[in-house]
Amino acid sequence: QITLKESGPTLVKPTQTLTLTCTFSGFSVSASGEGVGWIRQAPGKALEWLALIYWNGDDYYSPSLESRLTVTKDTSKNLVVLTMTNMDPVDTATYYCAHRFTGSAFDVWGQGTMVTVSS
Amino acid sequence: SYELTQPLSVSVALGQTAEVTCGGDNIGSKNVHWYQQKPGQAPVVVIYRDSNRPSGIPERFSGSNSGNTATLTISRVQVGDEADYYCQVWDTTTGVFGTGTKVTVL
Repeated sequence: QITLKESGPTLVKPTQTLTLTCTFSGFSVSASGEGVGWIRQAPGKALEWLALIYWNGDDYYSPSLESRLTVTKDTSKNLVVLTMTNMDPVDTATYYCAHRFTGSAFDVWGQGTMVTVSS
Repeated sequence: SYELTQPLSVSVALGQTAEVTCGGDNIGSKNVHWYQQKPGQAPVVVIYRDSNRPSGIPERFSGSNSGNTATLTISRVQVGDEADYYCQVWDTTTGVFGTGTKVTVL
């Protein structure tokens, strides 16, 4: 059974860097085809894809946010980390991590973590 | 950038059929995934790769994809189907979500 859980600060100040951790179980991010993605949802808004990292280290980012995002993985600890620089109030959202096997959907999601950007 | 357009809302009578569309340029050439999201909950995939149902998803949920439109069909709609629905594709290596549709059961 695959499970994922996001953790990180609930409040960050404008211009600060956000670091979120996705801790998972039930699969290995070093196994061929496995990937973990990040998706966010501002209050009352649609889902927005942010980033994805695969078992082989390939990483992909939303073109509109690419300059601010970095995703890394720690295979030994079963976790994936998303960093987003220069946070702004418009980045206030619930951030989700999700499992994806190559070619398929995001089949299992974490519960999400709400991040508020405010001074 | 690639965009997916969905109707803002769809209303359907209890027991009837709801259709949620997802429009995109030549979307028929892409694999479309559909997610259901209830208030305060994380999304759940209900259809993957156009028309496949994950285990545990009722047969009432089906999908199709051709030309410039993908469609999620919910047959014999139940109160528990009331939710937001999002389509999603990969535009080469970029993930794209649709604008979302709120399905209301009358």
